[in-house]
Amino acid sequence: GNSVTQMEGPVTLSEEAFLTINCTYTATGYPSLFWYVQYPGEGLQLLLKATKADDKGSNKGFEATYRKETTSFHLEKGSVQVSDSAVYFCALSDPPGGSYIPTFGRGTSLIVHP
Amino acid sequence: SQTIHQWPATLVQPVGSPLSLECTVEGTSNPNLYWYRQAAGRGLQLLFYSVGIGQISSEVPQNLSASRPQDRQFILSSKKLLLSDSGFYLCAWRESSGTAYLMNTEAFFGQGTRLTVV
Repeated sequence: GNSVTQMEGPVTLSEEAFLTINCTYTATGYPSLFWYVQYPGEGLQLLLKATKADDKGSNKGFEATYRKETTSFHLEKGSVQVSDSAVYFCALSDPPGGSYIPTFGRGTSLIVHP
Repeated sequence: SQTIHQWPATLVQPVGSPLSLECTVEGTSNPNLYWYRQAAGRGLQLLFYSVGIGQISSEVPQNLSASRPQDRQFILSSKKLLLSDSGFYLCAWRESSGTAYLMNTEAFFGQGTRLTVV
């Protein structure tokens, strides 16, 4: 079955530091990959996505590249802000005909200090 | 555009009382629907999913049940709440098939319900 593994948190950084949150996946098909962000007390919001190998998803300064050869989708940001403090979830969805259920990682908490 | 509504936002209920959380989706047809629970500081636990009216699949045995009385309505229920039912409940939807699914394979989440059983 499908699975998503992301690094344990919390990740604690100072403002303007570089961020990497690792994510690797296992899938039988050719999935789409996603990063979601969850701010305290809220639901998950889609941050970025990539649907095929070598695609780069980007949004709000965050980037992630779909690496099929390493089955990875690491999240990066060059300079984090205090407002980026949240929980980040890596996820995948099967293509049509695959599983009905999107697969999520366990989430990585990011804490950014001023 | 599509939207998802989930209510109530917060709920405090005594042990042994019933529960009904409602989720509705607008702007799409025949979506796949999901209920997740998130314990404090934890990841997402899939509770139920539905691929059509009246079709419910349960992922874990528990004190809860789900129903889908209409295409875009998904209800999470309990007859008697336990303390362990406390948590953050999230409803989500995803396109099910066709061109819409090819274009948008991501799940969309409601704002969540914070349930505290006392």
